[in-house]
Amino acid sequence: AQKVTQAQTEISVVEKEDVTLDCVYETRDTTYYLFWYKQPPSGELVFLIRRNSFDEQNEISGRYSWNFQKSTSSFNFTITASQVVDSAVYFCALSDPSGNTPLVFGKGTRLSVIA
Amino acid sequence: DTAVSQTPKYLVTQMGNDKSIKCEQNLGHDTMYWYKQDSKKFLKIMFSYNNKELIINETVPNRFSPKSPDKAHLNLHINSLELGDSAVYFCASSQDMGANQPQHFGDGTRLSIL
Repeated sequence: AQKVTQAQTEISVVEKEDVTLDCVYETRDTTYYLFWYKQPPSGELVFLIRRNSFDEQNEISGRYSWNFQKSTSSFNFTITASQVVDSAVYFCALSDPSGNTPLVFGKGTRLSVIA
Repeated sequence: DTAVSQTPKYLVTQMGNDKSIKCEQNLGHDTMYWYKQDSKKFLKIMFSYNNKELIINETVPNRFSPKSPDKAHLNLHINSLELGDSAVYFCASSQDMGANQPQHFGDGTRLSIL
């Protein structure tokens, strides 16, 4: 069965701190895809990144970086030098070809960055 | 241009009424979805359509009826609204049904039942 766990419900950090959002997933497939989405206070859902199960290279995009580790079934997201505009709910999601549900979301982590 | 647009953004209505939410995507995608986000922010798939055909129909009351007149549109009609229907409803689309395809979401429709 597919499952995504985001154990951190809420995180608060002070601006300029680094913060890591954890994501652990379960799937029986060897081919699967992992995603991160951001939901700012305005409510829209913004696609951030997609990673396939065969590519374990870490990815960096500006202050954002993602650490994918198959050995621990984790796909963690780090924001470096956080800013107030990073305050949002962040969702990790899993998709695999054999799943009945196209995209399974975690419950989200609410990040508050305090000035 | 907005890629996935849904209307209205806010919908306030009374229990028992019937309402519709419209969704359009201009990305040329084949697959569209409806999600429900509850007050705890949990996102759950309701329906998915591929080229106007219903693919996924999760355990959703039959008061909810999706309609896809063409592959760029997926509307959601809700009959006899109940208090528990209060939520944010998101429309999304993806290139096709492939597991590798990211979904692009509309801004959501906040439905409040009085």
